[in-house]
Amino acid sequence: AQSVTQLDSQVPVFEEAPVELRCNYSSSVSVYLFWYVQYPNQGLQLLLKYLSGSTLVKSINGFEAEFNKSQTSFHLRKPSVHISDTAEYFCAVIEGNTGKLIFGQGTTLQVKP
Amino acid sequence: DAGITQSPRHKVTETGTPVTLRCHQTENHRYMYWYRQDPGHGLRLIHYSYGVKDTDKGEVSDGYSVSRSKTEDFLLTLESATSSQTSVYFCAIRQGPNTEAFFGQGTRLTVV
Repeated sequence: AQSVTQLDSQVPVFEEAPVELRCNYSSSVSVYLFWYVQYPNQGLQLLLKYLSGSTLVKSINGFEAEFNKSQTSFHLRKPSVHISDTAEYFCAVIEGNTGKLIFGQGTTLQVKP
Repeated sequence: DAGITQSPRHKVTETGTPVTLRCHQTENHRYMYWYRQDPGHGLRLIHYSYGVKDTDKGEVSDGYSVSRSKTEDFLLTLESATSSQTSVYFCAIRQGPNTEAFFGQGTRLTVV
């Protein structure tokens, strides 16, 4: 069975500093990987996805994530964060042979002025 | 926005009563999911569906049942609500094997 581990429950960072949110998954089959963001009192929105092809994927608001098969990781990075990036971030994986969509425990990113 | 609607958005119910939450989609997507979100646990999969009348259990399915009699509706039933089922419930839909999921706005359920 698939599992997803987000290694940090909370990440405090100052505005304009770089940040990395870590995600590891377990899988023995093909994987499709996602990062979702949840702003306070809202639903989840897709931030970026890896389905195939280039292992480095980017979002329109400056986030990027790199699929690393050998380390079974899909870490999320941003070189300079803004106050508006304060939110909860979820890593997720689709189990290719069943269609299950499994989420990690979430990481709260707190951007301080 | 993906055409996905959860109802009700808020509900307070008493321990021991049955409760049904509805997820309705207008996208004709194949996959539908029910999750619960609790602090410190992220989103945990309750049940999911990969087609009409095709459902399977997730990691926290005890005390919950689902039905999908038509493509657009996925119902989650708490057979006898308990206080531990107080949570925010999210529905999600997904079109195919290698596509992303879209989420509803959530249902806040309180069991007193």
